[in-house]
Amino acid sequence: DGGITQSPKYLFRKEGQNVTLSCEQNLNHDAMYWYRQDPGQGLRLIYYSQIVNDFQKGDIAEGYSVSREKKESFPLTVTSAQKNPTAFYLCASSISTKNIQYFGAGTRLSVL
Amino acid sequence: AQSVTQPDIHITVSEGASLELRCNYSYGATPYLFWYVQSPGQGLQLLLKYFSGDTLVQGIKGFEAEFKRSQSSFNLRKPSVHWSDAAEYFCAVGAGLAADSWGKLQFGAGTQVVVTP
Repeated sequence: DGGITQSPKYLFRKEGQNVTLSCEQNLNHDAMYWYRQDPGQGLRLIYYSQIVNDFQKGDIAEGYSVSREKKESFPLTVTSAQKNPTAFYLCASSISTKNIQYFGAGTRLSVL
Repeated sequence: AQSVTQPDIHITVSEGASLELRCNYSYGATPYLFWYVQSPGQGLQLLLKYFSGDTLVQGIKGFEAEFKRSQSSFNLRKPSVHWSDAAEYFCAVGAGLAADSWGKLQFGAGTQVVVTP
């Protein structure tokens, strides 16, 4: 089945620790995105990538980093510089035009 | 840059009644418009989209939406709600192929729908 797989479903971070969220897609989409969701705030864009080896900051990139070494993978690292990391993180992908984004099931990150 | 407002944070509707969720956008050109639905703890599922053409678009699960340029609105409707429609609904606007916002969507804050028996 084609789709977007996010792992893990739940993740806990200790203070000062970096953690990495995985996002893999087998839809052959060029573009991939990371969003952060907080209650009552909708989705906010963290980073996006239009093509392999290229990515752009979104609206709330501080404290996060990404890489795009393969077309199907777009991991997100939440660094220790992100002081309020507790949120639901959603990965999405889209064909390069027409903006239809398809979403993974999300990762819930909490701080210990 | 584009923006989206969903005026209703929370709506309660009886099963079998009609539902309308409001969405207003701000964008200087013709936008791409979307409605997504999210069940608790899950990702977002696309209900329907508007790119061009007929301003009344049909989606999955019996939903439809109407694009009204004069009102900058893209309201979502369903004639008869089922208990399984209880979820959070997000409106989103995209700027299409504009160079500085390629591929980016701006999401509203969402409307939580509760369905009562």
